[in-house]
Amino acid sequence: AQSVTQLGSHVSVSEGALVLLRCNYSSSVPPYLFWYVQYPNQGLQLLLKYTTGATLVKGINGFEAEFKKSETSFHLTKPSAHMSDAAEYFCAVSYNAGNMLTFGGGTRLMVKP
Amino acid sequence: DAGVTQSPTHLIKTRGQQVTLRCSPKSGHDTVSWYQQALGQGPQFIFQYYEEEERQRGNFPDRFSGHQFPNYSSELNVNALLLGDSALYLCASTRQGSYNEQFFGPGTRLTVL
Repeated sequence: AQSVTQLGSHVSVSEGALVLLRCNYSSSVPPYLFWYVQYPNQGLQLLLKYTTGATLVKGINGFEAEFKKSETSFHLTKPSAHMSDAAEYFCAVSYNAGNMLTFGGGTRLMVKP
Repeated sequence: DAGVTQSPTHLIKTRGQQVTLRCSPKSGHDTVSWYQQALGQGPQFIFQYYEEEERQRGNFPDRFSGHQFPNYSSELNVNALLLGDSALYLCASTRQGSYNEQFFGPGTRLTVL
């Protein structure tokens, strides 16, 4: 069975500071990993995905994530936070990119001016 | 290119009633999945439809049923509504095949009184 744990339901950073959102997963087979962002009263938008190949994945809006199999982690980072990054972020895992997604509980990112 | 669309945007029902939510997938997509997102939680997979058949199902009771039409659009039906069914219902579409991530619609906010 798959599961996803996001450490920290709320993360607060100052504008311009490093953003680090943590995600650990458990999967009995090699996973496909995703990060989605959700702005208030909206659906989910894909930030980036890992399916195969290079373990450092770059996404939209300056975000990137690194797949570390030995640590079963897929942490999301961004070097410099912008006010517009304030949103809810979800890590998800799947056996196949088009298959059932299992989501973590989400991390609300707050950016202070 | 229109993305995933859902209707209605908001819905208020009372306990015991039945509800139908609708979803039109992104152009070129043939697979539709439904997720339930309770307030403050990550989305949970309800089921997935492909070729007008339910292909996968999450841990939801039979009160939750669905349908996919020949044009790939889909409906989610919930019978005998409970207060706990209040949530944001998200539809996601994809095209069968590896690496085709799911695209999400804006959701339908269901409130059960």
